[in-house]
Amino acid sequence: NAGVMQNPRHLVRRRGQEARLRCSPMKGHSHVYWYRQLPEEGLKFMVYLQKENIIDESGMPKERFSAEFPKEGPSILRIQQVVRGDSAAYFCASSPPSRAANTGELFFGEGSRLTVL
Amino acid sequence: DQQVKQNSPSLSVQEGRISILNCDYTNSMFDYFLWYKKYPAEGPTFLISISSIKDKNEDGRFTVFLNKSAKHLSLHIVPSQPGDSAVYFCAALSSGTYKYIFGTGTRLKVLA
Repeated sequence: NAGVMQNPRHLVRRRGQEARLRCSPMKGHSHVYWYRQLPEEGLKFMVYLQKENIIDESGMPKERFSAEFPKEGPSILRIQQVVRGDSAAYFCASSPPSRAANTGELFFGEGSRLTVL
Repeated sequence: DQQVKQNSPSLSVQEGRISILNCDYTNSMFDYFLWYKKYPAEGPTFLISISSIKDKNEDGRFTVFLNKSAKHLSLHIVPSQPGDSAVYFCAALSSGTYKYIFGTGTRLKVLA
């Protein structure tokens, strides 16, 4: 059973370009989360999605950031017109539909490290 | 507003001794708590969790204690091993929501 797969692992972009980060959840998981970790900081919640629905995007910056989890295919975190402050590690996590069915843990991918030059 | 706080950014412990990592929270609606371990350049991995109906949960060398009145939880690792050196995050969750709130992490270094 493959874990949460994120790609690319490393992405370099120049200011003003677009960054697209992809996340395939674990098999059977229908909930996807995106977290951002800035250097020397903790994990900051960005968005929580289910298939074709954004459930909670309270942690997403109002501009330039968007996320989707289509019916088919991976979840995508999109950052338009990147700036140097967007440089961070972006982690995706997934969980099964029912929290009661397990320990309630999130399963994390290895992260995508974005560097903006 | 930081709802989950880990006030010690780092901790050093001698191999074989006990490591105690602390976490405080402010939201009384949180009723489920988790600890994650993170190595450099890897994603966080789940360690142990506890529901608010309990005050202790144990799994091998790892024990989590929850003090609801103080809004405080701690992770005890005994005996500590060099392989335990990592950043530890606590996280909290409210029933009926799926928004896991993480602390800022504590970097544990276990000295051989």
